[in-house]
Parts: sequence; C-alpha cells; structure tokens
Amino acid sequence: EVQLLQSGGGLVQPGGSLRLSCAASGFTFSASAMIWVRQAPGKGLEWVATVSPNGDIAHYADSVKGRFTVARDNSRDTVSLQMNSLRVEDTALYYCAKGFLLGVVTPADYWGPGTLVTVSS
Amino acid sequence: DIQMTQSPSTLSASVGDRVTITCRASQGISRWLAWYQQKPGMAPKFLIYKASTLQSGVPSRFSGGGSGTEFTLTISSLQPDDFATYYCQHYNNFYVTFGQGTRVE
Repeated sequence: EVQLLQSGGGLVQPGGSLRLSCAASGFTFSASAMIWVRQAPGKGLEWVATVSPNGDIAHYADSVKGRFTVARDNSRDTVSLQMNSLRVEDTALYYCAKGFLLGVVTPADYWGPGTLVTVSS
Repeated sequence: DIQMTQSPSTLSASVGDRVTITCRASQGISRWLAWYQQKPGMAPKFLIYKASTLQSGVPSRFSGGGSGTEFTLTISSLQPDDFATYYCQHYNNFYVTFGQGTRVE
C-alpha cells in the first residue's frame, strides 16, 4: 500500500523559513517523480514543485521560484520542501504526491494527507 | 503558462443525473490532461489520465473526453459518493496547472 507521511508544517512569521518532509513507502521511491501541491484555505489546487526520480531535475512554480527548494533522499525514501522568505500568501495546506508516469512531466496518483503552513505575524 | 478554465464553477445535480464538466486549455495540450476528485478535508483522488483513461479502481460511470483545448468529465449517473469538487490538470509541460475546480452539489 502506498503511503506518504507528511510532517513539518506550522506557524511561521513572514520572512521566516520552514521545512516540510514526506516519507514514502509501498512503492519504488527512486523510480517516481515527487510533487508538491498546495491549497490555500477555501481555494483550489496549485502546483508548487516537482523533483525527478534521481533528484537531478527540479521545477518550480513562478510563485515560489528562488524561495523554495525541493530535494529527495532515495536512500531514505524521503522528499523535502525547504521554504524560505515565506509570505502571507504562502499560507496553505501542502500536499506531497507521487508521480504517476515515468519522468518529470506527470500527474499525481497518490497524495499525502497534507500539512498546514500558516504564515502570519 | 497554460491556463486551465473549468465550467461551471458550481453544478447542482441530483442522484441519478448525468453530469458533465468542461475544462478548456489556453493552448493545445494534445491529450495530456488529468482529472481529480476532492472531498472536504481530504486529499485529491486521481481519476483519469490522458484525457480519457480511467485510473484503476475508478467506477465506470466516470468518463473523460476531448483533445487539444477542450475536455470533458462526465458522470453518467451521479451517486451520493460523487458529490465533491473536481479539478482538471494539464501535464503538457513541466509547469503543470490545475483548473479552478467545479463543485458538484
């Protein structure tokens, strides 16, 4: 059974940093792209970032480029999202998700439960 | 970036109704389109990929169609479990984007 266990959310002040983690099990982690998607309260889904199966390629939404960094550790089956220079508009539920297709351009077939990030003074 | 526009934003329907949601892309995306279902307080569920291929375990009352810039998600006979919000998503390039969602109530 595919499982994605998320951790690391919380309350942070504007300009602060936070690191989200996602621990995967139940599939060949090193063969799957991993994706971060967020959802602001009461809003729709917004893609944030995708990292390739071996971690050598990462793509980011323009709204987070230069502030967020996605990384993975295939020896531990984990992926992380380092978020710096956080803004009020980054407040959202952040989902970790597994890529469905081979490669980086892919929809997501399994999703974690989400972790809440609140940016507020 | 490719913009995805869904219509309607909200759809009122009854059990047994045939329901169709439309998703339009701002430029051609071939058939690189996925659909998701999300219920309140839950993570999205992957329903359809490549515009019309049902993910394993998805009931056959769901179907997808279209190519290029216009796509549809149809529920042939709405069931109580289907009241939810539905999102389309293109994956034509690295910068995947979602539609704004259609709430079926």
